[in-house]
Amino acid sequence: DTEVTQTPKHLVMGMTNKKSLKCEQHMGHRAMYWYKQKAKKPPELMFVYSYEKLSINESVPSRFSPECPNSSLLNLHLHALQPEDSALYLCASSGLPHSYEQYFGPGTRLTVT
Amino acid sequence: RKEVEQDPGPFNVPEGATVAFNCTYSNSASQSFFWYRQDCRKEPKLLMSVYSSGNEDGRFTAQLNRASQYISLLIRDSKLSDSATYLCVLNQAGANNLFFGTGTRLTVIP
Repeated sequence: DTEVTQTPKHLVMGMTNKKSLKCEQHMGHRAMYWYKQKAKKPPELMFVYSYEKLSINESVPSRFSPECPNSSLLNLHLHALQPEDSALYLCASSGLPHSYEQYFGPGTRLTVT
Repeated sequence: RKEVEQDPGPFNVPEGATVAFNCTYSNSASQSFFWYRQDCRKEPKLLMSVYSSGNEDGRFTAQLNRASQYISLLIRDSKLSDSATYLCVLNQAGANNLFFGTGTRLTVIP
C-alpha cells in the first residue's frame, strides 16, 4: 500500500487565521516532506524530516511551521499567511535509508484571502 | 544553471504514436533518477525509476546515459489516458531531497 493521506483537501483561510495541514503514512517510511506547488510549476521543497528530525528547511518563512509528532504523521502549521501563499501543498514520504522514491499525498489546495 | 532541464512542450500526438521525452542534468553526483506523471490538479505519481541498464514497463521505456547526463522516457502506442505532465526527477548522493524538472506536457489526441 503506497498511500499517503492528507487533510483537508481544500482550505480557505484569512490572513489572520491559524490553521494546520495534516499528513499521514503507514508504509513505515522514515522520511517525510512538505512541498508547495503553484500552477504549471514543479513542486518546490519546503521541509524534510528524517527519522522524525527536521533535516532540511529550504529558507521557508516562519509563518509556516512544520511538526513531526511521530514517524507516521506530519503537520504544517499556518499563521498569518499572505495571498501569494495560495497553492497546492503536497506531503510525500520515502523509505529511507534504502529508497529515495517518494510517494505523494493528494495535496491540500490552500487559498488565502 | 538548473539541476534538471526538460523541454516543457507541449507535445500533441495522435493516439497510437510513439513519443520520447529527454531530460538533462547538471550534477554528475546525481544518483537516482525517476519519471513522475502528474495529472491536472492532482499529485505527482511515480511512473518508474530509471536504472543504468535501462528499464521497461509495458509501453514505457526509460533510459539513463550517465556519460552524457541525460535520461529519457519513451511511450509507445500512446493512449488518451497518457495525457499528463511528465516530470523528470533526480536525487544526489547523500541527499534525500529530490530535484524536479519543470515537466513536459503531453496531450494525446483522438
